[in-house]
Amino acid sequence: GAVVSQHPSWVICKSGTSVKIECRSLDFQATTMFWYRQFPKQSLMLMATSNEGSKATYEQGVEKDKFLINHASLTLSTLTVTSAHPEDSSFYICSARDAGRAYEQYFGPGTRLTVT
Amino acid sequence: AQSVAQPEDQVNVAEGNPLTVKCTYSVSGNPYLFWYVQYPNRGLQFLLKYITGDNLVKGSYGFEAEFNKSQTSFHLKKPSALVSDSALYFCAVRDRGGGNKLTFGTGTQLKVEL
Repeated sequence: GAVVSQHPSWVICKSGTSVKIECRSLDFQATTMFWYRQFPKQSLMLMATSNEGSKATYEQGVEKDKFLINHASLTLSTLTVTSAHPEDSSFYICSARDAGRAYEQYFGPGTRLTVT
Repeated sequence: AQSVAQPEDQVNVAEGNPLTVKCTYSVSGNPYLFWYVQYPNRGLQFLLKYITGDNLVKGSYGFEAEFNKSQTSFHLKKPSALVSDSALYFCAVRDRGGGNKLTFGTGTQLKVEL
């Protein structure tokens, strides 16, 4: 089956620093990738949708200058949390849609970000 | 706007008993419907989906779900629960009319006890 990986699986950083999270589709091409944020015991909230080679579309209330998304290739998208603060601590999950199977969406294992 | 409701925050079931996790949805057109399972500190694992065809969908690990258009429901079921089924379950909907986004319910914590 289709596999999506995320790196790192967990990261601790100091307030004010930036953190980059990678999302890769390992065995398929993903024209569209999604970034979600999940707080403890809550649902997934879509942050942004990125299409390969174009700018990401951010959901209302998500700061695009704080959460930089790059989708430079059909297998890689990155989320950079800039000038991180403790309130950015969360579980970030990426998802990728298979270009050849429009209704299939595969999820990465998630990245636990803790900002101290 | 599309939405999903999972009315139960938690469902408790004894091992060996049947389980049901409820989901209702709202979309402007015809839906794609999905169930995912999440274990602690892990991403989402796909269980099953309804795209078209038979209203009863069979998925992974013995789970199944029934699409009911008149009741706009897509309840998840399993005939005999296992302790290892204990996890967080999410229902999701996508409008097949061209919308790109999956909308998730709030999740239901399933606890299966011996």
